[in-house]
Amino acid sequence: GAGVSQSPSNKVTEKGKDVELRCDPISGHTALYWYRQSLGQGLEFLIYFQGNSAPDKSGLPSDRFSAERTGGSVSTLTIQRTQQEDSAVYLCASSPRLTGKNEKLFFGSGTQLSVL
Amino acid sequence: SQQGEEDPQALSIQEGENATMNCSYKTSINNLQWYRQNSGRGLVHLILIRSNEREKHSGRLRVTLDTSKKSSSLLITASRAADTASYFCATDAPGANSKLTFGKGITLSVRP
Repeated sequence: GAGVSQSPSNKVTEKGKDVELRCDPISGHTALYWYRQSLGQGLEFLIYFQGNSAPDKSGLPSDRFSAERTGGSVSTLTIQRTQQEDSAVYLCASSPRLTGKNEKLFFGSGTQLSVL
Repeated sequence: SQQGEEDPQALSIQEGENATMNCSYKTSINNLQWYRQNSGRGLVHLILIRSNEREKHSGRLRVTLDTSKKSSSLLITASRAADTASYFCATDAPGANSKLTFGKGITLSVRP
């Protein structure tokens, strides 16, 4: 595709339910990042992938959060037993290589998650 | 924790004026990047300046970097209403496991 695609664009769920957020990066981009942005706040790093491997999971807020990437392409972020504090915009970004190589990030439009 | 801290938090100017936004950071960096965000959704990359560069231009954008003061500024010249957005600085630090660390952003309003 032309850009990073995220789905759904909006998700409303009830507290305690599980949700899956999907990210389809730009074709050929080996690095994929997940960030979270709460209302009026900056971006909080969650996790990144180099290929299918996630070397740094330290940003995941709790063990209710998990992410995977398959085939070096699509990634899913899963939040189990959602809580109201999980409400935020979840942003996915990709880059041709890791940002340590002076790469810029290409962002998707995000998934607005609302936990009632 | 936040690496980049933008200043001011909000800025309102008249169309045609210049907008200057500042970013300070705490640790050494490989590069510093500026992004724009419209409508609270996806971010768009504006410009990247490497640690060995002091100034960079792109169209109406001018970015400076002072590594001795650990600070950067983004200047938008001849602002337009369409420049209204939130602007974020992001740093790429050595040993930061290849992740960009973003500040909280600056809300710029350009009045027609």
